[in-house]
Amino acid sequence: KAGVTQTPRYLIKTRGQQVTLSCSPISGHRSVSWYQQTPGQGLQFLFEYFSETQRNKGNFPGRFSGRQFSNSRSEMNVSTLELGDSALYLCASSPGLAGGTGELFFGEGSRLTVL
Amino acid sequence: QQQVKQSPQSLIVQKGGISIINCAYENTAFDYFPWYQQFPGKGPALLIAIRPDVSEKKEGRFTISFNKSAKQFSLHIMDSQPGDSATYFCAASRPDDYKLSFGAGTTVTVRA
Repeated sequence: KAGVTQTPRYLIKTRGQQVTLSCSPISGHRSVSWYQQTPGQGLQFLFEYFSETQRNKGNFPGRFSGRQFSNSRSEMNVSTLELGDSALYLCASSPGLAGGTGELFFGEGSRLTVL
Repeated sequence: QQQVKQSPQSLIVQKGGISIINCAYENTAFDYFPWYQQFPGKGPALLIAIRPDVSEKKEGRFTISFNKSAKQFSLHIMDSQPGDSATYFCAASRPDDYKLSFGAGTTVTVRA
């Protein structure tokens, strides 16, 4: 079974630009979560989608948004990029069913550098 | 605000030694406590997880000890191997929340 696929793996942007990151979950998984990983803040939860609906949202400004498509693929967007947005953005998928084990399967991440 | 506090930030252990990483939490609603292992350039991968109804869980050389009254849990890596060198994250979540609160991570280096 293929794992979680994230694209692009690396990208460089300048301040003020916007970026879109893509995530394809494991086949059959309906939940997709996004996390930001930085050396200073560690792994911070961004949001989680299940069946195209946002079920949970972390404490990030409105510049961070996401969506999920009917095939469970997800995208996240960051607008008006700031230097502090430089991070590894990780996508994780899970079956997302109530009462489940809660295990998340992570992709290898998209490393964003903002200059 | 870090909901899960993890220590130490890093540790070095000799091959064959024991690595111990500790985590503490405040939210008594947490009911799922996983540990993730992350190698450079890779995403985190689930290593082992525990729920509050048991005090210890062992999988191979990895053991979680859980102290519900103290709101603490720890990961023990027995017979540490160079291949165990990685960053380890503890985490916690509430029932049906699907959001993990991660500790800050511990970088483990196993010297041959």
